[in-house]
Amino acid sequence: EAQVTQNPRYLITVTGKKLTVTCSQNMNHEYMSWYRQDPGLGLRQIYYSMNVEVTDKGDVPEGYKVSRKEKRNFPLILESPSPNQTSLYFCASSLKGARGYTFGSGTRLTVV
Amino acid sequence: AQRVTQPEKLLSVFKGAPVELKCNYSYSGSPELFWYVQYSRQRLQLLLRHISRESIKGFTADLNKGETSFHLKKPFAQEEDSAMYYCALGTDSWGKLQFGAGTQVVVTP
Repeated sequence: EAQVTQNPRYLITVTGKKLTVTCSQNMNHEYMSWYRQDPGLGLRQIYYSMNVEVTDKGDVPEGYKVSRKEKRNFPLILESPSPNQTSLYFCASSLKGARGYTFGSGTRLTVV
Repeated sequence: AQRVTQPEKLLSVFKGAPVELKCNYSYSGSPELFWYVQYSRQRLQLLLRHISRESIKGFTADLNKGETSFHLKKPFAQEEDSAMYYCALGTDSWGKLQFGAGTQVVVTP
C-alpha cells in the first residue's frame, strides 16, 4: 500500500531532550515536507526537500533540522525541544513539487 | 509575499443546503491552488486541484485570477462533509505549499 509513515504517533518529552520524528514513504517520491498544525493557524511548512541532499526552509524552520540522505526517508530533528514546539506534526511526500502531497497520519508532540 | 486567507473559521449548514467555503490568495506569479480535507482524527487528503478542474464528492472549485479566489462549493451538503477544509497555494515547483488557517464545516441534519 502506497503510504507515508511517521513514527511515533504520540510523544511526550521534556524541554531540551533531543528527539527525532521519522518519516518514510514507499512511493519513490522526490519531494518531501514537514508541517506543523496548530489551532487557528492551520498548517505551516517547516522544511521541504526536493531530492536527496536538497532541502530548504519553509515558513517556520527555527528550532528544527532535517536531513535527506535517502530518497524514502526525511526525519525531523528537534535538537533542544521547547514547549512552544508542542504541536501536531505531519510529514508529506509528492511526485511533483507542491502538486498533490500525500500526508502521513501525524505525530502529536508534547514538550513539558 | 504569498498568503492564503480563509475568512471563515466555522461554517454551519443544514443537510441539503448549499455550502461555499471562501479562499483568497495573494501571489504575484502563476499560482497552483488546492483544497485539502481533514476528517476528524484523520490525515489530510487532497480534495481538489485547480489544474485538473475535476469534481470530487460533489465539490467544485474555480480559480478566479481576477479576484484571486478559489472558493469551494457544493450544491447539497451531506452530513459526511463535516470536516476541516484547507485551501493551499503552491508557488513554485520545489515543493513549497502554503496553507490557509482552515474552515471547520459542520453539517447538521
